[in-house]
Amino acid sequence: EPEVTQTPSHQVTQMGQEVILRCVPISNHLYFYWYRQILGQKVEFLVSFYNNEISEKSEIFDDQFSVERPDGSNFTLKIRSTKLEDSAMYFCASRNGVLTGNTIYFGEGSWLTVV
Amino acid sequence: SQQGEEDPQALSIQEGENATMNCSYKTSINNLQWYRQNSGRGLVHLILIRSNEREKHSGRLRVTLDTSKKSSSLLITASRAADTASYFCATGDYNNNDMRFGAGTRLTVKP
Repeated sequence: EPEVTQTPSHQVTQMGQEVILRCVPISNHLYFYWYRQILGQKVEFLVSFYNNEISEKSEIFDDQFSVERPDGSNFTLKIRSTKLEDSAMYFCASRNGVLTGNTIYFGEGSWLTVV
Repeated sequence: SQQGEEDPQALSIQEGENATMNCSYKTSINNLQWYRQNSGRGLVHLILIRSNEREKHSGRLRVTLDTSKKSSSLLITASRAADTASYFCATGDYNNNDMRFGAGTRLTVKP
């Protein structure tokens, strides 16, 4: 069964450094998402992406964050100048968009630890 | 936003018993989805119910949706220890552009 894949599974970075989290969505999907989950807390929406541009973004997704689809398969989340509070699990997700309101599939997540 | 909120926050049952979790939301929705998350793992999609549906089944799962009360329930019948996980509801608008999750129900099934 097709799946969303994310790399790295775990990354430790120094505060102030830039981090790029990578995702390969399911191949025929058109809508892409990033969510994050701080340890023990709920899953929070960050951003959605369609047709090479941001569709929606939350209040969390400020200028520190950016997303990009550099080629036909990858979807990346860049976090600039990381802070301790950016430590979280980051989930990529995708859906095919053929039907409205259809299932969103999630990857296994990238655990980011900022020290 | 169409954020779902689950209830209870935690539920502990014996293997073989049924588990019922509830979700409430505030705005109109196009669909509601339930997900499971094992500790430290990704979100696994369980079931999607559309706003014009009232009940849906998938194996041991039964989901109901009451749009007049803006609520949904997830029933897991004949629970197993492997069902131990956190369960989240998420509501989506027409485009699912910013599907929002609640805080989840932590289910523990004791063998």
